[in-house]
Amino acid sequence: QSALTQPASVSGSPGQSITISCTGTSNDVGSSNLVSWYQQYSGKAPKLMIYEVTKRASGVSNRFSGSKSGNTASLTISGLQADDEADYYCYSNGGVGVFLFGGGTKLTVL
Amino acid sequence: QVQLVESGGGVVQPGRSLRLSCAASGFTFSSYGMHWVRQAPGKGLEWVAMIWFDGSNKYYADSVKGRFTISRDNSKNTVYLQMNSLRVDDTAVYYCVRDQGQWGDRRLAIWGQGTLVTVSS
Repeated sequence: QSALTQPASVSGSPGQSITISCTGTSNDVGSSNLVSWYQQYSGKAPKLMIYEVTKRASGVSNRFSGSKSGNTASLTISGLQADDEADYYCYSNGGVGVFLFGGGTKLTVL
Repeated sequence: QVQLVESGGGVVQPGRSLRLSCAASGFTFSSYGMHWVRQAPGKGLEWVAMIWFDGSNKYYADSVKGRFTISRDNSKNTVYLQMNSLRVDDTAVYYCVRDQGQWGDRRLAIWGQGTLVTVSS
């Protein structure tokens, strides 16, 4: 199983919206309702942000939203803030006992 | 509060073994699947292994299959990762992670702080 495909980097100015894509196959993202997204600050453990494609984890700002179309899931952050600058990873199951991360996307707030 | 604390990391020579431990607290440990996830220096996250809530099923990434073994002791609220035949490319921070479901297939809800394993001669 290969890792899911994410852009290496995205950037945006404060107040803008950005979208991070996560592309898999019909065997993982395309057939899973359990895609999740994680935020990781440098040197820290990841934190669950979005689960089951569209649901926000407890305490996560409503500026964060998730969606999916076909084999591609997306994380959208609206009203960008400086402290959104972090690495973001998608995650999906790909069958029994198969779990895949995306390669990660570095978000820069300009 | 809900907490996972890893231990056992360190520097080890290629070909040697190491056992990581993860002590859980603040929740009913025996009700949840548990994972190990690793991150090589400057790299992305890689799923390593998962064990069901009752220990009856275990799954591994191809990169560690046959070398690593995940286990748990629900009486001690602890999950382990036995790592044998270590290679230089196993060097990473290893995170212990609690799933939200019993069978480890829901989401990675709670993360430990990680423990660094360095494989070097």
